Amino acid sequence: AQSVTQLDSQVPVFEEAPVELRCNYSSSVSVYLFWYVQYPNQGLQLLLKYLSGSTLVKGINGFEAEFNKSQTSFHLRKPSVHISDTAEYFCAVIPLNSGNTPLVFGKGTRLSVIA
Amino acid sequence: DAGVIQSPRHEVTEMGQEVTLRCKPISGHDYLFWYRQTMMRGLELLIYFNNNVPIDDSGMPEDRFSAKMPNASFSTLKIQPSEPRDSAVYFCASSLMADSNQPQHFGDGTRLSIL
Repeated sequence: AQSVTQLDSQVPVFEEAPVELRCNYSSSVSVYLFWYVQYPNQGLQLLLKYLSGSTLVKGINGFEAEFNKSQTSFHLRKPSVHISDTAEYFCAVIPLNSGNTPLVFGKGTRLSVIA
Repeated sequence: DAGVIQSPRHEVTEMGQEVTLRCKPISGHDYLFWYRQTMMRGLELLIYFNNNVPIDDSGMPEDRFSAKMPNASFSTLKIQPSEPRDSAVYFCASSLMADSNQPQHFGDGTRLSIL
């Protein structure tokens, strides 16, 4: 079975400062990795995904994430945040060739950008 | 594409009443998922379907909850009788079956309040 740990439940950061949201996973098989963002009163939207190849993945809105297999991590970063980045961010994994297995989500990290 | 469509967006009702939440997945998607989101428990997977067949309903909290998918373009989640602790945001999501690297697409959710 897979599990996802998002180490920080809340992250406050000033506008234009860099941010890193941490995600670690546990799995006995190789996985695909995803980051989703949830803006207030909306559903989750895909931010980026790692399937294979380069370990640095770029997503929408200037976010990027780096897959580190040895540390089983997939941390999300942005060099300069905006007020509009205030949202909840979810890390998720799914095993390769999973068949019917659904995504496993972390509990989320609430990013608050302060003016 | 219209995306995943959920209705109603908001529902307020008294305890004991029957509640029906509706979902129209993205056309062509083979998987449909129902989630519940609360502050206390985060995002929980309730049940998911593959080609209209329920695959795993182990996340359904009680017998008061039931879900159906009579055809590829429609699903319902029913709570009967409803209780105040059922108050939450309920999300529907859909995805393609072909590969596990396909992301899930979420609707905007139904915010349910049981008085």
